[in-house]
Amino acid sequence: GAGVSQSPSNKVTEKGKDVELRCDPISGHTALYWYRQSLGQGLEFLIYFQGNSAPDKSGLPSDRFSAERTGGSVSTLTIQRTQQEDSAVYLCASSRFLTRDGEFFGPGTRLTVL
Amino acid sequence: DAKTTQPNSMESNEEEPVHLPCNHSTISGTDYIHWYRQLPSQGPEYVIHGLTSNVNNRMASLAIAEDRKSSTLILHRATLRDAAVYYCILRDVGFGNEKLTFGTGTRLTIIP
Repeated sequence: GAGVSQSPSNKVTEKGKDVELRCDPISGHTALYWYRQSLGQGLEFLIYFQGNSAPDKSGLPSDRFSAERTGGSVSTLTIQRTQQEDSAVYLCASSRFLTRDGEFFGPGTRLTVL
Repeated sequence: DAKTTQPNSMESNEEEPVHLPCNHSTISGTDYIHWYRQLPSQGPEYVIHGLTSNVNNRMASLAIAEDRKSSTLILHRATLRDAAVYYCILRDVGFGNEKLTFGTGTRLTIIP
């Protein structure tokens, strides 16, 4: 079946611009997660959704970052006024059940802020 | 979170079975044992998970010790594509455990 998809696969933007990253989870997966990974670094957790609800936003690096999920499906991660330190691969994952099931990762969006 | 201990690196010959060990002596009764891997320049990939009983899927098998203090990921016939860093992670089902945290993992090298 179809896996997790993310778009765009690559995004190059100028410092100060806003970007929107999209994630389409596996159909029927109730939980959705956003991470980012900088070159040679480990996985950094950003936020999770249970259904359309994001109970804990403390993992978002700053108030320039926001995320939403609609219809229990598609999620968007928005970064306003991008900075060079935002450059990373942004990964989305989904799972059938929160924490109890394996997370299936998308291919990621490589964001480069010039 | 309960901690896991894995060897830093392992080597295996292509087309032979690989047994990747993981120790988790402080595991709690509600911790699931998850395995992920990350191939070079790719995102993480879910491999398998289990609670108490051994598990099999199309990618691998997970053998869990009776006392649950250790587990072994088994790749039945290694291919070059299996060269990756393998992470053993404990995940409690309770709230506040939504963050997936990778340790240093085991770097598996497959010798042709």
